[in-house]
Amino acid sequence: DAKTTQPPSMDCAEGRAANLPCNHSTISGNEYVYWYRQIHSQGPQYIIHGLKNNETNEMASLIITEDRKSSTLILPHATLRDTAVYYCIVRAAPHSGGSNYKLTFGKGTLLTVNP
Amino acid sequence: DGGITQSPKYLFRKEGQNVTLSCEQNLNHDAMYWYRQDPGQGLRLIYYSQIVNDFQKGDIAEGYSVSREKKESFPLTVTSAQKNPTAFYLCASSPTEAELFFGEGSRLTVL
Repeated sequence: DAKTTQPPSMDCAEGRAANLPCNHSTISGNEYVYWYRQIHSQGPQYIIHGLKNNETNEMASLIITEDRKSSTLILPHATLRDTAVYYCIVRAAPHSGGSNYKLTFGKGTLLTVNP
Repeated sequence: DGGITQSPKYLFRKEGQNVTLSCEQNLNHDAMYWYRQDPGQGLRLIYYSQIVNDFQKGDIAEGYSVSREKKESFPLTVTSAQKNPTAFYLCASSPTEAELFFGEGSRLTVL
């Protein structure tokens, strides 16, 4: 059972903001939203995570709607090196139980940044 | 230099042979994971280990085996019982229930 829904692909012009949506309508109160990305033939890389407040770090910003049923990952100035598959997953808060280790990564969104 | 090292990067095996993929981490992480990725697909969890000497089956454990005798090491054996073993295998670790750190992957091809 998929916990998140993402578009299969998106395009973005270099230098522009890339906004990647994720729907997680069944998210529960103790679940965080995590984002990872995977550049072709490499291991995925952690980007950011959040519970209900918007978050920002050196890589990206995460905007979570007030009802927490969806979120958007924002890459403010996309570069060619940001071309990758972006995964949105939900994960329970720490110490919620053993199932918190069974993380499922769907197919994600292939973001292509064009020159 | 801290990180996760997977070896070999590329591996070829004949049908019916067992093969072991190595995963070593020097991040002092308690939890380790093995994922399988097929072309155009997401990651599927094979096994995970929350702590030394303990591991649990993931979603697709059949045909695979693991051990966790040391905190730093979590080798994965792909046995002859795995009917379709050709795939990209990813190992990850995490400090308990935090974000995962992934290795660079091992690509297994069955000839």
